[in-house]
Amino acid sequence: DGGITQSPKYLFRKEGQNVTLSCEQNLNHDAMYWYRQDPGQGLRLIYYSQIVNDFQKGDIAEGYSVSREKKESFPLTVTSAQKNPTAFYLCASSPTSNTIYFGEGSWLTVV
Amino acid sequence: GENVEQHPSTLSVQEGDSAVIKCTYSDSASNYFPWYKQELGKGPQLIIDIRSNVGEKKDQRIAVTLNKTAKHFSLHITETQPEDSAVYFCAAPAGGSYIPTFGRGTSLIVHP
Repeated sequence: DGGITQSPKYLFRKEGQNVTLSCEQNLNHDAMYWYRQDPGQGLRLIYYSQIVNDFQKGDIAEGYSVSREKKESFPLTVTSAQKNPTAFYLCASSPTSNTIYFGEGSWLTVV
Repeated sequence: GENVEQHPSTLSVQEGDSAVIKCTYSDSASNYFPWYKQELGKGPQLIIDIRSNVGEKKDQRIAVTLNKTAKHFSLHITETQPEDSAVYFCAAPAGGSYIPTFGRGTSLIVHP
């Protein structure tokens, strides 16, 4: 099936640790995105990438890092510098048009 | 950049009633307006979208209207059903950009 796959669905992190969230898409979309969602809040853009080996900071990039070595993959690393990482993380992708399609999300909890 | 305001934040209706969610945007050059439905614990799903060259678009029980002059667009759901209960997000990209700014969401509750 075509789509966007995020893993893991649930992840627990100890304070001071880095964690990486995986995002893979087989839709042949050029652009990929990471959003953060907090309870009762909208979607805030962390990073986006329009093409391989290029990415741009979004509105809340501090404490996060990404890479885009392959068209189909856009992993997000939540570093220890992110002071409040507990949230629901959404990966998305889009073709050259404006329509963005989302994955099913990953829950990250700091313990 | 684009600023998108969405109202109401919560909407409670009885099954069979209609529901309307409204969004306003700030950038007059915005030309694409999608609506997403998010069920609990899942990613948002695109349910309908409209481009600036049309004023209304329908798909079965849902419709979106656009008023470019007033810079607002609305989602209309008729004959609501309990499975319509979810959080709905509107979005709009700034002119010249393809990256949407999202509203803060509306929690729709349909009581059977």
